[in-house]
Amino acid sequence: DVKVTQSSRYLVKRTGEKVFLECVQDMDHENMFWYRQDPGLGLRLIYFSYDVKMKEKGDIPEGYSVSREKKERFSLILESASTNQTSMYLCASSQQGLGNTIYFGEGSWLTVV
Amino acid sequence: GENVEQHPSTLSVQEGDSAVIKCTYSDSASNYFPWYKQELGKGPQLIIDIRSNVGEKKDQRIAVTLNKTAKHFSLHITETQPEDSAVYFCAASTNKLSFGAGTTVTVRA
Repeated sequence: DVKVTQSSRYLVKRTGEKVFLECVQDMDHENMFWYRQDPGLGLRLIYFSYDVKMKEKGDIPEGYSVSREKKERFSLILESASTNQTSMYLCASSQQGLGNTIYFGEGSWLTVV
Repeated sequence: GENVEQHPSTLSVQEGDSAVIKCTYSDSASNYFPWYKQELGKGPQLIIDIRSNVGEKKDQRIAVTLNKTAKHFSLHITETQPEDSAVYFCAASTNKLSFGAGTTVTVRA
């Protein structure tokens, strides 16, 4: 089975802190994604990557950056956390190409106080 | 970009009845339409998908229909069971997936 692992399930951070959310997938997928999930807004794409060291902005990239140094790992970085970044963050991966199944991790609940 | 609207936002059905969730999309170039189910405390999981060259697809109690002319697609769950209670998301894809806002389905025993 495909497994997408988000190492931190629940985090509480202070405003202004630098936050790292880590994600690892074990199926050798080329594509990796970071989404943000908020009630009534569904899943919104923050950043995605089609290959190592490659990244592209999604629909809401402001306030975030990403890193993909290895194929299996995709990190989301909040350079200076703010309270409006309190949310559930979902990492996902898929095989190369369009229309392939996207597999999600269990999510990371981030609270910024 | 693609805009996906999903209705209703909440749906309560009696066990054994059917549930229908409807989505519309804006970009006529979208060609892939998956549906995801998210149980409490878990990430979304794909339950069924349909591509633009197909009008209907069925998998046991779940079916999806697609009307490309009207740019809408629907999820149908028949003979609902308590384990069908979850949040369901539709999505549409050109080069990336755009999701609807989600429907919280509650199946009453």
